[in-house]
Amino acid sequence: DAMVIQNPRYQVTQFGKPVTLSCSQTLNHNVMYWYQQKSSQAPKLLFHYYDKDFNNEADTPDNFQSRRPNTSFCFLDIRSPGLGDAAMYLCATSSSGSDSPLHFGNGTRLTVT
Amino acid sequence: QKEVEQNSGPLSVPEGAIASLNCTYSDRGSQSFFWYRQYSGKSPELIMFIYSNGDKEDGRFTAQLNKASQYVSLLIRDSQPSDSATYLCAVNVDSSASKIIFGSGTRLSIRP
Repeated sequence: DAMVIQNPRYQVTQFGKPVTLSCSQTLNHNVMYWYQQKSSQAPKLLFHYYDKDFNNEADTPDNFQSRRPNTSFCFLDIRSPGLGDAAMYLCATSSSGSDSPLHFGNGTRLTVT
Repeated sequence: QKEVEQNSGPLSVPEGAIASLNCTYSDRGSQSFFWYRQYSGKSPELIMFIYSNGDKEDGRFTAQLNKASQYVSLLIRDSQPSDSATYLCAVNVDSSASKIIFGSGTRLSIRP
């Protein structure tokens, strides 16, 4: 089945220690998104790629970076995680077109110790 | 700042009744609207999408869109305990860049 896969499912990192979350897709969608979701809050868009075009949200901290080396893969790098970065990180994809819904991976739960 | 607003709830509805969930959005140019269901600790899953004014029905679910009022709603008929979840309204606020943002969600509880 075509899908969006996030690894790892759970990630524990130390305060200040860089961490990378990964996302892959077999849907061949040209748009890939990273959302951060904290408990009882809305998924917050961090950034997204429309093909190779990177769209960063104005309020996304510089501590968060992303890479998309090809259509299938996208990475979220947190350069110096703080305790406030503990959250569920959701990767999603969509095809282009305003009526295209998001297809989510299972998420990565990040814990910062 | 483009925003999507939802009543956080919790909304408690008896089993078998109709649950009504509401969402408003700030950007009049928004074209596409989505409803997602999210169980605790899980990813959101798509229930419906709508982009034309009026009603769209899919089984027990009906989405309603009123662009003039910048309002979108979701009705769940014959509510079941398995419908208990958080319902997220999502809006494509920039169709050229496929930028989709979420409301904070409404927590729905179906009581037996």
